[in-house]
Amino acid sequence: GENVEQHPSTLSVQEGDSAVIKCTYSDSASNYFPWYKQELGKGPQLIIDIRSNVGEKKDQRIAVTLNKTAKHFSLHITETQPEDSAVYFCAASYSNSGYALNFGKGTSLLVTP
Amino acid sequence: GAGVSQTPSNKVTEKGKYVELRCDPISGHTALYWYRQSLGQGPEFLIYFQGTGAADDSGLPNDRFFAVRPEGSVSTLKIQRTERGDSAVYLCASSSPEGGGTDTQYFGPGTRLTVL
Repeated sequence: GENVEQHPSTLSVQEGDSAVIKCTYSDSASNYFPWYKQELGKGPQLIIDIRSNVGEKKDQRIAVTLNKTAKHFSLHITETQPEDSAVYFCAASYSNSGYALNFGKGTSLLVTP
Repeated sequence: GAGVSQTPSNKVTEKGKYVELRCDPISGHTALYWYRQSLGQGPEFLIYFQGTGAADDSGLPNDRFFAVRPEGSVSTLKIQRTERGDSAVYLCASSSPEGGGTDTQYFGPGTRLTVL
């Protein structure tokens, strides 16, 4: 089955700096890669996703890049704010599985003022 | 509009007991997923429904776990003879087959299950 590795497990940045989280996946059939933000006591919230037919997608301060050849994808957050502090999860899935998500173990991001 | 709702938000039970966890998906969403999240880990897939049928139940850990979705909307996850290792947050997600959002899953707040 699909195996998703996520690094780093914890990340601390100063407000205004950029944060980068990286994930690798094992199954070349995977074609959908969402990123979720999870705050304490809440369910995961989708922040951005990318499909295998594009290499990069951006939404305001958040961007995701995908390298299908190397089977890795990354989340980039620019101009970080304290409210960005949360646990971030990457995931991979493919349409033939009904898009059942395989998650990484998460990155705990702390943005200090 | 209303998001995915899950009840109860917390459930404490004793080892060996039976529990039911409920999920109300976003109205009109035909796909429904159950995941389990242990402390400090990412969610793990359990089962996926398309309409009323379980399209993929490969993530259910053993036959103590069962889920139903009889009318294609609300789903119930059932756990028999609970064990301490079943303690986790059980998450439900739904997605819509219409337009480009087929694969976008929206999660509920989860049910925290504690087995004493």
